[in-house]
Parts: sequence; structure tokens; C-alpha cells
Amino acid sequence: SYVLSQPPSVSVAPGKTATITCGGTNIGVKSVHWYQQRPGQAPKLVIYYDSSRPSGIPERFSGSNSGHTATLTISRVEAGDEADYYCQVWDNDSNHYVFGIGTKVTVL
Amino acid sequence: EVRLVESGGGLVKPGGSLRISCAASGFTFSSYHMNWVRQAPGKGLEWVSSISSGSNYIYYGDSVKGRFSISRDNVKNSLFLQMDSLTVEDTAVYYCARGPNGGSWNDWFDPWGQGTLVTVSS
Repeated sequence: SYVLSQPPSVSVAPGKTATITCGGTNIGVKSVHWYQQRPGQAPKLVIYYDSSRPSGIPERFSGSNSGHTATLTISRVEAGDEADYYCQVWDNDSNHYVFGIGTKVTVL
Repeated sequence: EVRLVESGGGLVKPGGSLRISCAASGFTFSSYHMNWVRQAPGKGLEWVSSISSGSNYIYYGDSVKGRFSISRDNVKNSLFLQMDSLTVEDTAVYYCARGPNGGSWNDWFDPWGQGTLVTVSS
């Protein structure tokens, strides 16, 4: 079955840029979606279709997808961005949704 | 306002059964695929099951296939998950999440409910 790889953790200073990767075989041909989950809360969509932002999500959040890696970038990081971030795709071969293991973003 | 509210979680013994529900409001429920996603304590998100808008297509994750059954009632705007032969590994918060508006399964999950906790323990 399809596997998505994420780094377990990323640390970033306030005001700097956080980059979270999501690796998968030829992920560039798939649609990747990203979710933010703050402690004790339900997941929240922050990026859909690789790079689109839902209404209400700051422009600081951006995404890209090419080759074997999708990327979520958080610019000008704020304390409130501290959360777990998950990538997700639909695997046509298995008819399964797949989530990455999640990346914990810590704001220093 | 689009809203999903899960209910029915609780404590169940290993080998037991439980049915959880998700009440939807604020959108045309019958037009959307719906999903269950779970999260074990301290762990990541795990997709459990999906059902198409008209219940024609149903998919399950490998860890629950044959034990769990997803269903929906488009008149009562409700989603269900019947869980049988439960094991301690099924202990998790179970989230209901809205999927694509018909058609392709490639779309995202939005919104998510607040979750209901299922604890399997003797």
C-alpha cells in the first residue's frame, strides 16, 4: 500500500520559515492535502490540492508538490502555528486514504 | 454553519461491539462522501472507512476490514460506524469528516467533528 513519509519534528524560531516535507512514490501526480492539529483539537484543513488555501487560512501557509515530495511551508512562523501537521492523499490502487505520520512543529 | 457532531463513544470490553454516530447539519448531507478517521492516544491519524454519497461505494482500512461497518441515513443526515470484535488496539478518538462533493475521491476532508472516544479495555 502507498506510504507517506514525514519528519517527526521540525523546530523553528518565531518569524522564520518552517518547511514540512511529505514523501511518496511519484506523489507529484497525486493531490495532496494538509491538516493542522493543535493539542486537544480536531484536525483542520490548511492546504488542499497541493497549494490551495481554504478561506480563513493565512497566506503564510503555502504548499507545493512535485516528483516524490510535497511540501508545506509556513512563513513568518507564530507561536500559534505550534501543532502537528499531516499530509494526506487518495491511493487509487488500493482505494484507501493515506495519512503521513505527522510532523510536530515546535516554535522555539 | 457546517457542523459534524459525533456521539456514542464509551468503554467496551475486548471482543465487544459499539455503534458510533455522526450528526451532520448546515450542508446537503446526501451530496457528500463521508469518512471516519481515528487517532489512538498519542498517535497520528488513521483513516478507517469511507462511504459514497449514495452508499454505492464503501471502503475500509486494512486494520478494520471485516470487523467494522460504515453506513449512512441521508434522510436523518447521519453517519454511523458499527464496530465489532473490538480489541485494545481500537482504542482511539473517532472523528467524522466530510469528504468530496460526489464524484472523485481525490478531495480533502473538511470539516471534522470534535471526535468521540472509544476505549476498549477489560
